[in-house]
Amino acid sequence: QKEVEQDPGPLSVPEGAIVSLNCTYSNSAFQYFMWYRQYSRKGPELLMYTYSSGNKEDGRFTAQVDKSSKYISLFIRDSQPSDSATYLCAIRPSGGGADGLTFGKGTHLIIQP
Amino acid sequence: NAGVTQTPKFQVLKTGQSMTLQCAQDMNHEYMSWYRQDPGMGLRLIHYSVGAGITDQGEVPNGYNVSRSTTEDFPLRLLSAAPSQTSVYFCASSYSQGIDGNTIYFGEGSWLTVV
Repeated sequence: QKEVEQDPGPLSVPEGAIVSLNCTYSNSAFQYFMWYRQYSRKGPELLMYTYSSGNKEDGRFTAQVDKSSKYISLFIRDSQPSDSATYLCAIRPSGGGADGLTFGKGTHLIIQP
Repeated sequence: NAGVTQTPKFQVLKTGQSMTLQCAQDMNHEYMSWYRQDPGMGLRLIHYSVGAGITDQGEVPNGYNVSRSTTEDFPLRLLSAAPSQTSVYFCASSYSQGIDGNTIYFGEGSWLTVV
């Protein structure tokens, strides 16, 4: 079993819809949860990170962590065509450094104008 | 402030050739890493470094070599290129500790084709 599971999509939704992207993980030691956005032919860029369970909001984006279910989500409200990208979840057991990071395979999101 | 800079962006190699992918960062980050990204496989860690003179293997190190002589530079060497090394390569860097360590900066990627 992979440590992080993520549906690769593609997920296609109309502009203005609420998007829900999800990952599940298997190791309860993970403490930091991140979402990266990757546009075509570009490197990933950090969108949000959270620590422990709960919600974190940043504009149209909300990250949600449920450690009891080992389930993380990213919600995008009022989705825009510019949100079309691949979204990767990433988790790590402790803060600091790029070496302990485990990525999901990414979900390809398409927002239809 | 350029962030993480990778060169070249595109490269075609013949089987058996060697080459070096260059990576440089100007943020004084301790951690630097190399990933490869393949369809259906996601990002996989090749090698990483926690500081100058210190390197370690990641998930898929075979066929690659790294060194870290300065804080700024972390080149990735392909010793004898094979078609299985056709991929997109990303260099990444971050601080080592604290909340800032969760922000990992990626380069723009290097597209490598081995024929």
